[in-house]
Amino acid sequence: ETGVTQSPTHLIKTRGQQVTLRCSSQSGHNTVSWYQQALGQGPQFIFQYYREEENGRGNFPPRFSGLQFPNYSSELNVNALELDDSALYLCASSLAAGTNYGYTFGSGTRLTVV
Amino acid sequence: DQQVKQNSPSLSVQEGRISILNCDYTNSMFDYFLWYKKYPAEGPTFLISISSIKDKNEDGRFTVFLNKSAKHLSLHIVPSQPGDSAVYFCAAGVGYEGSNYKLTFGKGTLLTVNP
Repeated sequence: ETGVTQSPTHLIKTRGQQVTLRCSSQSGHNTVSWYQQALGQGPQFIFQYYREEENGRGNFPPRFSGLQFPNYSSELNVNALELDDSALYLCASSLAAGTNYGYTFGSGTRLTVV
Repeated sequence: DQQVKQNSPSLSVQEGRISILNCDYTNSMFDYFLWYKKYPAEGPTFLISISSIKDKNEDGRFTVFLNKSAKHLSLHIVPSQPGDSAVYFCAAGVGYEGSNYKLTFGKGTLLTVNP
């Protein structure tokens, strides 16, 4: 049974650029959630995807968007990067829609915006 | 407004002793609480949870206590082992057994267990 895989592990971007982060969910999991963890903070919920539809969103601007594919993998896209977007981005998959029960987290993508 | 607070950024204990990590919350709608452990360069891993209908849940060396009137929960690790050294996050959700999609996390407490 494979866990949650995120790519890339590290990324450096320039302010104003766009970035795409990728996540492969754990085998058998159909729901993917994305969290942002800034330095010294706990993870903050960005949004969740189930059956290729956004299933809930946290307090993040529209320049944060996502996709889920038929194989349940997911992408997080951030446009017009700002310095404050520098953070660890965590993907979590789970078995049931609309839940956080049984979350499995990936190791994250460390994004640095300069 | 921080709805889940872990007021101790760090805690250091001796191997074999008890570790007690604390968490306070302000949102009375929260009814499901979890603890996650995070090692460097890894994602958080689920440790133990408790719903608001209980005041205690045990799993081996780990016990979580919930005091709803005080909006306080704690994680007890007995006995503490060096491998327990990690950042511990308290998280809360609305909806029994995680039926809601969103978790709200505290800032974490770095636990160091000294041999």
